[in-house]
Formats: sequence, C-alpha cells, structure tokens
Amino acid sequence: LAKTTQPISMDSYEGQEVNITCSHNNIATNDYITWYQQFPSQGPRFIIQGYKTKVTNEVASLFIPADRKSSTLSLPRVSLSDTAVYYCLVGERGGGFKTIFGAGTRLFVKA
Amino acid sequence: DTGVSQDPRHKITKRGQNVTFRCDPISEHNRLYWYRQTLGQGPEFLTYFQNEAQLEKSRLLSDRFSAERPKGSFSTLEIQRTEQGDSAMYLCASSSTTGAGANVLTFGAGSRLTVL
Repeated sequence: LAKTTQPISMDSYEGQEVNITCSHNNIATNDYITWYQQFPSQGPRFIIQGYKTKVTNEVASLFIPADRKSSTLSLPRVSLSDTAVYYCLVGERGGGFKTIFGAGTRLFVKA
Repeated sequence: DTGVSQDPRHKITKRGQNVTFRCDPISEHNRLYWYRQTLGQGPEFLTYFQNEAQLEKSRLLSDRFSAERPKGSFSTLEIQRTEQGDSAMYLCASSSTTGAGANVLTFGAGSRLTVL
C-alpha cells in the first residue's frame, strides 16, 4: 500500500487560498488520489479525487504532476468553516478500505 | 436517504462489559465498512462487508470483536469484555461498487465508546 506524507498542521486566514501538498512516492500505476475532510465529532467526508493532471469541483481543486509522486489540494478563499482535518489517500478509486488514512493535516482558519 | 446512521452516538461502559453498535448504511450501497479512530489519528480499517459477506478483517480486529451484516443491510459491531484500550470512535461507512461514485466512502457520525 502506498504511504502518504502530509504536513501535520497549517494555519490560514479567511479569504486566502490554501494549498495542502501530499507526497506519495510509491504510488502504483492503478492508484487514485483521494482527499477527505473531517470536522470534529463527524466522520470524514469525500472532497475530491483524481488520477492525473488537474481536477476541479465546486469545493476544491486537485493538482497532480506528471510523475504523480505528489498532489496538492487547493481550497480557494477559505472560511472559518473550512477548519478541519484533511486526509490524502492513495489507492483504490474513491479511497476504499485498501487505502490508509494517516494522521491528516489539521487546517486552522483564523478570522 | 438520510445518509449513514450510527447508534448509539455515545456509549460509556465499565471494563469487562459487552457493547454493540449499529450502522444503517445508504440503502443503495452494497459495501459496508467499520473503522476505529482514536484522538489525533486517522480512521483505521477494521472490517468490511459486500452485501452480507464479510470479505476482509484487519489484524486490529481481535477475537473480542465481531461484526455482522445478516441481511446485507444494517450491520452490528460487538465488542466483548471491553478494555480501556477499546475507547475510541467507531465509524461506519458505506459505498457502492459501480458508477462514478464507486468506492467513495460515505461515513456516519460515529459511535464514541468510553471504557471506564
């Protein structure tokens, strides 16, 4: 299983763009990159997934370079409600049970 | 559909007692998963079902843990002879295996267990 490395925590201010980078040097050819978000006292929630290049949805963008050894989750114009833990997963499409969550990145958004 | 429901949300028990958690997945989802999460850590996989068949169990799932999904719908996770180390949030998730959302996990809010 591919292991991921992401920063333990990040701080930001409201209205800023936040980029969280995840390293996954051992990503396999068939692996997808999936990001989940978790608020306190809730289960994780799917944000976005991709295989290569760039993926954008209404919540975030995911940038994946050609070598796929890293990926960057981009959150545009964060608000206080974006304070959460963000998990980068590498593995089965959608991040099924075969992927490992890790400790995630704790994002603190300040006013 | 109201998403994935878990019951109870909180459970406090004494060491040595048995506890049971219930999970009602999204009705169209054929896969159901159980995870455990401790403070400051990400969820750890325990086991998963495809329909009523339990297809995978983590080594974290000791003999005191048992999970069932008798009719391929709701699932129960029972912990026998609880220990203080079992204190954690127990998360249930479900997913489908087809379509654009295949294998995307939808989690419940979790059942928090405190063993005194």
